[in-house]
Amino acid sequence: GAVVSQHPSWVICKSGTSVKIECRSLDFQATTMFWYRQFPKQSLMLMATSNEGSKATYEQGVEKDKFLINHASLTLSTLTVTSAHPEDSSFYICSAGRAYEQYFGPGTRLTVT
Amino acid sequence: LAKTTQPISMDSYEGQEVNITCSHNNIATNDYITWYQQFPSQGPRFIIQGYKTKVTNEVASLFIPADRKSSTLSLPRVSLSDTAVYYCLVGGGAGNMLTFGGGTRLMVKP
Repeated sequence: GAVVSQHPSWVICKSGTSVKIECRSLDFQATTMFWYRQFPKQSLMLMATSNEGSKATYEQGVEKDKFLINHASLTLSTLTVTSAHPEDSSFYICSAGRAYEQYFGPGTRLTVT
Repeated sequence: LAKTTQPISMDSYEGQEVNITCSHNNIATNDYITWYQQFPSQGPRFIIQGYKTKVTNEVASLFIPADRKSSTLSLPRVSLSDTAVYYCLVGGGAGNMLTFGGGTRLMVKP
């Protein structure tokens, strides 16, 4: 099956700093990737759609200047949380599609202190 | 986007068959139905996908009635390791985003 990886798997950063999370489709190309955020005991919430070679599409309420998305190649999308604050602490998950299936990465646990 | 409705939680015992039903009344013609399993602090894992009738793989079966307004995930003989959250999603195509509902928290007891 298709594999999607994320790096890092967990990160702790200080308030005010920026953190970059990578999402890679390892054995297939994905023109579109998706970024989700999940808080404890809650469902996944779509943050944005990452499009290769063009600007990302953000869901309502998600600040595009705070969550910078770059989809530079068909196998890599990055999410940068800028000027992170404790309320940004969450589990971030990406997905990439092939045919009619979406494959999810293992997630990145971000803790902002 | 088609919205899905599932039971919030279910309890079962080891060895039993578990059926989780999902309603998706406004499913579109080109939408597929996909079920995912998620363990704590992990990304969702694909279980099964179908368009109509019945689909079976090595871990589950998916039953879809003719009107496609609902679907049932069937897990045969569950074990403790099947304790997880199960999400039903509808959508179509690699470029189409998936909207997650609340999912069903399955607890398998000894």
